[in-house]
Amino acid sequence: EDQVTQSPEALRLQEGESSSLNCSYTVSGLRGLFWYRQDPGKGPEFLFTLYSAGEEKEKERLKATLTKKESFLHITAPKPEDSATYLCAVENQAGTALIFGKGTTLSVSS
Amino acid sequence: NAGVMQNPRHLVRRRGQEARLRCSPMKGHSHVYWYRQLPEEGLKFMVYLQKENIIDESGMPKERFSAEFPKEGPSILRIQQVVRGDSAAYFCASSPQGQRNTEAFFGQGTRLTVV
Repeated sequence: EDQVTQSPEALRLQEGESSSLNCSYTVSGLRGLFWYRQDPGKGPEFLFTLYSAGEEKEKERLKATLTKKESFLHITAPKPEDSATYLCAVENQAGTALIFGKGTTLSVSS
Repeated sequence: NAGVMQNPRHLVRRRGQEARLRCSPMKGHSHVYWYRQLPEEGLKFMVYLQKENIIDESGMPKERFSAEFPKEGPSILRIQQVVRGDSAAYFCASSPQGQRNTEAFFGQGTRLTVV
């Protein structure tokens, strides 16, 4: 069964304190791994799609990387506005749906 | 270019009533997906539709839930005879034809509360 596990569930950082979020996945043939950001009371906002091991993508202070078993979302020198829940998802085998992890809630204090 | 529009944003229903949730996809998008987010749970896929067709409804509960995406107008997620366990945030996403989940953009959601 396709599965996505994110860790930690919650992460508190000081402004400027870099860290990484983990997304472990179990799928029969990865079709795509997705990262979204979700603010309280809002819908998920698309960040990145990764397709193959070794691929990396960057956007401002965020960098996503992918291996054969997991993905990392690296946050460099975070700011309070980076506080949100970060969701990881993989596409199912039929290509008809995303399977989401429960997310990592990031809090950055100044 | 307006994003995915969902309405209402908040909906309160008494047990046994019907709930209708609407989703207008982004302009030019012909693929619509519905997801449900329960408290302390992740987003769970419910159904994937194209115009006038249900492509995958494997995540839909077998009873009381239905979805449509007519030729004209928004996609509708309908929940009959709501129960307290239906209280959740329901999100719609859309993507352009041919790209499916690769370019899926989400709406702001409808928060359903059953009292």
